[in-house]
Amino acid sequence: GAVVSQHPSRVICKSGTSVKIECRSLDFQATTMFWYRQFPKQSLMLMATSNEGSKATYEQGVEKDKFLINHASLTLSTLTVTSAHPEDSSFYICSATGRNNEQYFGPGTRLTVT
Amino acid sequence: RKEVEQDPGPFNVPEGATVAFNCTYSNSASQSFFWYRQDCRKEPKLLMSVYSSGNEDGRFTAQLNRASQYISLLIRDSKLSDSATYLCVVNPMEYGNKLVFGAGTILRVKS
Repeated sequence: GAVVSQHPSRVICKSGTSVKIECRSLDFQATTMFWYRQFPKQSLMLMATSNEGSKATYEQGVEKDKFLINHASLTLSTLTVTSAHPEDSSFYICSATGRNNEQYFGPGTRLTVT
Repeated sequence: RKEVEQDPGPFNVPEGATVAFNCTYSNSASQSFFWYRQDCRKEPKLLMSVYSSGNEDGRFTAQLNRASQYISLLIRDSKLSDSATYLCVVNPMEYGNKLVFGAGTILRVKS
């Protein structure tokens, strides 16, 4: 099956710093990638749709200036959490759409802001 | 009303039992349906797509009822390793490839 990787898998940072998370599709090209956030015991919530070569589309309530998304190539999308705060601590997961419209998820990045 | 609704459970069943999960969706124009499995602190993994004709993969059977906007997942001969959260996922299509996730149903299989 399609493989999507994320890096880093876990990060701890201090409040006020920025953190970049990479999402790569390893064996297929993805014109669209998605970024989700999941808080404990809750379902995945879509944050934004990352489109290769164009601006990301953000869901309602998600600050685009705080969560910067760059989709520079067909295999790489990055999410930068700027000026992170403890309430940004969460599990961030990316996904990419395969040929049959199935979404494959990366292993996730657990962010802890102290 | 939520776009995708699931019974949160938990469903506690013994090994070997048959268990069924249900899911309803609100957007009648939805075209693609999936069941994902998510283990604790892990990413969701695609379990199976759900087709109008229904589909089976080993011990797992998925059914779609478009008229009732209802999706089901049946697990036969439950194993301990089936313990996880099962996510009902719908692509409403009007938003492109965006997926809408149900909150998940927790399954605990016990020996």
